[in-house]
Amino acid sequence: ETGVTQSPTHLIKTRGQQVTLRCSSQSGHNTVSWYQQALGQGPQFIFQYYREEENGRGNFPPRFSGLQFPNYSSELNVNALELDDSALYLCASSQRRMNNEQFFGPGTRLTVL
Amino acid sequence: DQQVKQNSPSLSVQEGRISILNCDYTNSMFDYFLWYKKYPAEGPTFLISISSIKDKNEDGRFTVFLNKSAKHLSLHIVPSQPGDSAVYFCAAADFGNEKLTFGTGTRLTIIP
Repeated sequence: ETGVTQSPTHLIKTRGQQVTLRCSSQSGHNTVSWYQQALGQGPQFIFQYYREEENGRGNFPPRFSGLQFPNYSSELNVNALELDDSALYLCASSQRRMNNEQFFGPGTRLTVL
Repeated sequence: DQQVKQNSPSLSVQEGRISILNCDYTNSMFDYFLWYKKYPAEGPTFLISISSIKDKNEDGRFTVFLNKSAKHLSLHIVPSQPGDSAVYFCAAADFGNEKLTFGTGTRLTIIP
């Protein structure tokens, strides 16, 4: 059984640029959630995708967008990067079921200069 | 508005003793709670969970206690081992909503 994988591991961008982060779900999982973890904070929910549709969104502006593909892999896109977007971005997959635990990938560390 | 709070940023415990990590929440709609453990350069790893219909759940060395009236939960690790040194996050969800709301974490250090 393959776990959740994310790419790239690290990324450096400049303010105003756009970035795409990728996630492969754990085998058998059809739901993917994205979280942003700033330094010294807990992960903050960005949004969730289920069967290629957005299924809930946290308090993040529209320049944060996502996609889920038929194979349940996912992308997180961030436009017009700001310095405060520097964080660890975590992807978590789960089998859509009430109160099922989510399995996290190792994250992508984004630095915006 | 911090709906899940972990008021102790760090905790040091002697190896073999009990570690107790605490978590408070304010949203009465939360009815499912999870603990995650995070090592550096890794994603959070699920540890143990509890639903609001229970007040205790055990899994080996790990026990989670839930006090709904106080909106408080705690994670007990006994005996503590050096490999338990990590950051521990408390998370909460309301029924049917897979969005997790996390606390800010407690860094646990086990002293050999």
